Amino acid sequence: QKEVEQDPGPLSVPEGAIVSLNCTYSNSAFQYFMWYRQYSRKGPELLMYTYSSGNKEDGRFTAQVDKSSKYISLFIRDSQPSDSATYLCAMSLNSGGYQKVTFGTGTKLQVIP
Amino acid sequence: DADVTQTPRNRITKTGKRIMLECSQTKGHDRMYWYRQDPGLGLRLIYYSFDVKDINKGEISDGYSVSRQAQAKFSLSLESAIPNQTALYFCATSETFTDPDTQYFGPGTRLTVL
Repeated sequence: QKEVEQDPGPLSVPEGAIVSLNCTYSNSAFQYFMWYRQYSRKGPELLMYTYSSGNKEDGRFTAQVDKSSKYISLFIRDSQPSDSATYLCAMSLNSGGYQKVTFGTGTKLQVIP
Repeated sequence: DADVTQTPRNRITKTGKRIMLECSQTKGHDRMYWYRQDPGLGLRLIYYSFDVKDINKGEISDGYSVSRQAQAKFSLSLESAIPNQTALYFCATSETFTDPDTQYFGPGTRLTVL
């Protein structure tokens, strides 16, 4: 069983829709929960992160962590064609003095105009 | 100009050849990483370096070696390339002692081993 599971998609939605992207994990020691966005032919870039449980909002994006269920989500409101990308969840824990990061496999999102 | 650059961007080679992928950064970060990305497997860590004298193996280091020539340069070598090393390779950097460990990725190198 992988430490981090993520549905690869692809997920195709119309412009303006609310998008929900999710990951599950098995290691309860994870402390930081991150979402990276990767455009085609580019490297991933950090979109937002949450420490421990709870919600965090940044513009149209909301990250949600439920540690009791080992489940994290990224919601995108009023989705735009420019949101079309692969979204990778990532989680980190303290390991020998540094934050060991584990990435999900990524969910490919397409927003149709 | 990009903060993290990788060369080459694309490379096709044959089984048994030695290949070097190069990474340079202008972010001034001490930590550098090499990952490979495969469909269905995501990003997997090959090697990481916390400074010029500190190099560590990641989860899939077999068949690879690295060299940290300077704070800004980190190279990945495939001594004798094999077809299952065909993948997208990313270099990344991060600052020391930040929470979380935000990693900044280069644009990637697409490597094909025939």
